[in-house]
Amino acid sequence: DAKTTQPPSMDCAEGRAANLPCNHSTISGNEYVYWYRQIHSQGPQYIIHGLKNNETNEMASLIITEDRKSSTLILPHATLRDTAVYYCIVRVLYNFNKFYFGSGTKLNVKP
Amino acid sequence: NAGVTQTPKFQVLKTGQSMTLQCAQDMNHEYMSWYRQDPGMGLRLIHYSVGAGITDQGEVPNGYNVSRSTTEDFPLRLLSAAPSQTSVYFCASTQRRGGNQPQHFGDGTRLSIL
Repeated sequence: DAKTTQPPSMDCAEGRAANLPCNHSTISGNEYVYWYRQIHSQGPQYIIHGLKNNETNEMASLIITEDRKSSTLILPHATLRDTAVYYCIVRVLYNFNKFYFGSGTKLNVKP
Repeated sequence: NAGVTQTPKFQVLKTGQSMTLQCAQDMNHEYMSWYRQDPGMGLRLIHYSVGAGITDQGEVPNGYNVSRSTTEDFPLRLLSAAPSQTSVYFCASTQRRGGNQPQHFGDGTRLSIL
């Protein structure tokens, strides 16, 4: 299973876009990219996932590079409530038990 | 929909005691799993189930038992609690359809072993 690399922390000004990078250079063709976040010690919250096309939902956008070796989660207008640890995870289709959480990126949204 | 419900939210045990952490989902998801999260770390998989009557070990299964008699429920049992099992426990579920559905997590059970 592909491993992911994320910066340990990032800062973002309130109201600005937050761009969180993730490197997954060993990703295989049948591995999806998932993004979750965890606010304080609450349960991880699903944000978005994708295979190779860019995806957008009401929470965020996911940009996957053409070679699929990296991706970026974009929160278009960050608020203080978006302060959380963000996890980038890759998983093979149907391998539900291969869902590894790394250390993630602590996003600090500042007023 | 309540989603994934975990009970209790907090629990303090003495070393050697046993207890069961409850997890229920109302989304008819086939796959359910238990994770633990130690301070400052990511989640680690304890046990998982791909359907009623089927369970398997994850990354850190020692000291824990599970069973899956119904689609909705997936309890986690601590046989003889140890201080090393002090952690936050999360239950998750997902739908098998398509093979790429995201997992939905409960709010966690915070367990302290004295």
